[in-house]
Amino acid sequence: DGGITQSPKYLFRKEGQNVTLSCEQNLNHDAMYWYRQDPGQGLRLIYYSQIVNDFQKGDIAEGYSVSREKKESFPLTVTSAQKNPTAFYLCASSMWQGEGYTFGSGTRLTVV
Amino acid sequence: GNSVTQMEGPVTLSEEAFLTINCTYTATGYPSLFWYVQYPGEGLQLLLKATKADDKGSNKGFEATYRKETTSFHLEKGSVQVSDSAVYFCALLGALTNTDKLIFGTGTRLQVFP
Repeated sequence: DGGITQSPKYLFRKEGQNVTLSCEQNLNHDAMYWYRQDPGQGLRLIYYSQIVNDFQKGDIAEGYSVSREKKESFPLTVTSAQKNPTAFYLCASSMWQGEGYTFGSGTRLTVV
Repeated sequence: GNSVTQMEGPVTLSEEAFLTINCTYTATGYPSLFWYVQYPGEGLQLLLKATKADDKGSNKGFEATYRKETTSFHLEKGSVQVSDSAVYFCALLGALTNTDKLIFGTGTRLQVFP
């Protein structure tokens, strides 16, 4: 079955460490997205990519980095520069304009 | 710019009650409109969508009609179940450029009690 896989489901990070969240899709979608969700709040766009080897900053890109070396993969690195990284991170993908997004099941990141 | 406004929650209902979650939007042109549902600890799932004025999206007993004249896309269900308890997000996808991205409302939590 096609879908988006995010891993790990739970992740703990010590302050000052970088961590990488994985996002893989087998839907043959061109575009991929990373969102951050804080408790009781909506979704905020971190980064998005519409094509391999290209990506754009979203609304809250500071302290995050991404790469898009393969169509199927769009990993997100939360760097030590992100001052408040504890949140629920959602990856999504879409085929083309006018279609909705398909979401992964999310990664909950906690700083300890 | 484009935006989506949802009614604040939580919405608390008894089982079999009628549900309405209001959603209005601001956009140029003719955007596509979506409702997503998020169950606890999970990602978002597409519930229904409508791509042009007067279209009605429907799924699992939920319905929403794309009203251009009132710029609204209210979510309705005639008889809710406890299993419908979740957070519901209204979203808009602009139609002007191929770089438009989904814009989400802040979400409305629905709590259904037996």
